[in-house]
Amino acid sequence: DAGITQSPRHKVTETGTPVTLRCHQTENHRYMYWYRQDPGHGLRLIHYSYGVKDTDKGEVSDGYSVSRSKTEDFLLTLESATSSQTSVYFCAISSGATDTQYFGPGTRLTVL
Amino acid sequence: KNEVEQSPQNLTAQEGEFITINCSYSVGISALHWLQQHPGGGIVSLFMLSSGKKKHGRLIATINIQEKHSSLHITASHPRDSAVYICAVRSLRAGGTSYGKLTFGQGTILTVHP
Repeated sequence: DAGITQSPRHKVTETGTPVTLRCHQTENHRYMYWYRQDPGHGLRLIHYSYGVKDTDKGEVSDGYSVSRSKTEDFLLTLESATSSQTSVYFCAISSGATDTQYFGPGTRLTVL
Repeated sequence: KNEVEQSPQNLTAQEGEFITINCSYSVGISALHWLQQHPGGGIVSLFMLSSGKKKHGRLIATINIQEKHSSLHITASHPRDSAVYICAVRSLRAGGTSYGKLTFGQGTILTVHP
C-alpha cells in the first residue's frame, strides 16, 4: 500500500468554525488531490496540487482552500465550516498527472 | 445527466456466480479506471485501461472506446468481493491533451452471499 495517512480520521465540529484536514505521504509523489464523497454524488475533486506551492481548483472548490508547503503534506482548510460540508474526505496521490491514484483512508467530517 | 453512469446500482449474488458491472460515459477519454471500496472505506485502484482488456486474478476489465462503455467482470464470486465498485474516467482536454482529473461514477454496491 502507498504510504498515505490522513488526520484526523474523524471530526465533529460546529458551523462557523475553521477546520484543517491533513494529508501526509511518504512516496514523494508530485500530485496530491482532495476529494469529497457524498451519497448520490460519488467522489468529487475539491482541489489538487501538482507540486510544492502549485495548486488548482476542482469542481467543488467553493468554501475550501488548500496549501502545500512541502512535498509530503497537503492541507485542506474549511475557513468557516457549514453543514453542507459534512462528508467523507479522501486524499489521493499520484506520481504523474495520468498515473494511477492511490487513496488515503479518509476523514469523516460532521458539521453540526 | 452524469458524465459517468454505472449499472446496476445494487447487485446481489450467490457465491460462485459470474458478475458483470457496467460503466458508460459520454465524453472523450484518455483512460478509464475501476476502483474498489470496501465497507471500511478504503479505496483501491483495480485497473487502469485505455483499450482492450486487462485481467488480474478473478477480475477482468474490458473497454470499448467507440461505444464509450466498459465492463468489470468477476468470475467465481466470493463474499470477500462484497464492496462498492467505482468507475472513473480521465477526460481528454480539447485538442487531445489528457490531464489527471478524474470523473467518477456513483458506484455499484455488490453483495455476495455465501
